[in-house]
Amino acid sequence: EVQLLESGGGLVQPGGSLRLSCAASGFTFTTYAMTWVRQAPGKGLEWVSGISGSGGSTYYADSVKGRFTISRDNSKNTLYLQMNSLRAEDTAIYYCAKADESGVGGSLDPWGQGTLVTVSS
Amino acid sequence: SYELTQPPSVSVPPGQTARITCSGDALPNKYAYWYQQKPGQAPVLVIYKDSERPSGIPERFSGSSSGTTVTLTISGVQAEDEADYYCQSADSSGTWVFGGGTKLTVL
Repeated sequence: EVQLLESGGGLVQPGGSLRLSCAASGFTFTTYAMTWVRQAPGKGLEWVSGISGSGGSTYYADSVKGRFTISRDNSKNTLYLQMNSLRAEDTAIYYCAKADESGVGGSLDPWGQGTLVTVSS
Repeated sequence: SYELTQPPSVSVPPGQTARITCSGDALPNKYAYWYQQKPGQAPVLVIYKDSERPSGIPERFSGSSSGTTVTLTISGVQAEDEADYYCQSADSSGTWVFGGGTKLTVL
C-alpha cells in the first residue's frame, strides 16, 4: 500500500523558516515525480512545487519561487520542502502527493494527510 | 497565468445526476483529472486522463471532454458524494494547475 506521511508543520513568525518532510513507502520512490500542494483555510487547492524522480528537475509556483526549495533524498524515500521568508498568506495545510507515471502535470495519487503551517506573530 | 474555471457550487437531489464542468483553453491538448475532497480529509483522485476511473471508485463517477470543457458526471448521486470537487490539468510549462473547486450539495 502506498503511503505518504507529512511532518514538520507548526507555528512560525512572519519572515521565519520551516522545513516540511514527506516520508513515502509502498512504491519505488525514485521512479515518480512528487509534488507539494497547499490549501489555505476555507480555500481551494494550490499547487506549490514539484520535483522529478531523479531530483534533477524542480518546478515552482510563482507565489513561492525564490522562497521555497523542494528536494528529495531517494536513499531515504523522503521529500522535503524548505520554506523561507514565510508570509501570512503561506498559512495552509500542505499536502505531498505522488505523481503518476506520466510525470510532471499528470494525476496526483495518493495524497498524504497534510501538515498545517501557520504563519503568525 | 493559466486558469481552469469551475462553478462554485452545484446542487442536486439524491438519485439524480450531477454534472460539474471545468473550462480551460488548453484542455483540448491536455488531460484533465478530478479529485474529491470531503471535510477534514485529503483529496482523492476519482477520474484521470479525462475519463478513466481508478480502481475502487464507484461506477457512478464518469468523466468526459469536449473542446475546452471537461465534465465530471455523478449518476445517481448519493448523500456520501457531498464534497468539494477539483479539476486539475497542466499549464503550458507542463506543471500542475487546479480549478477553483465546486461544492456539491446533495439536497
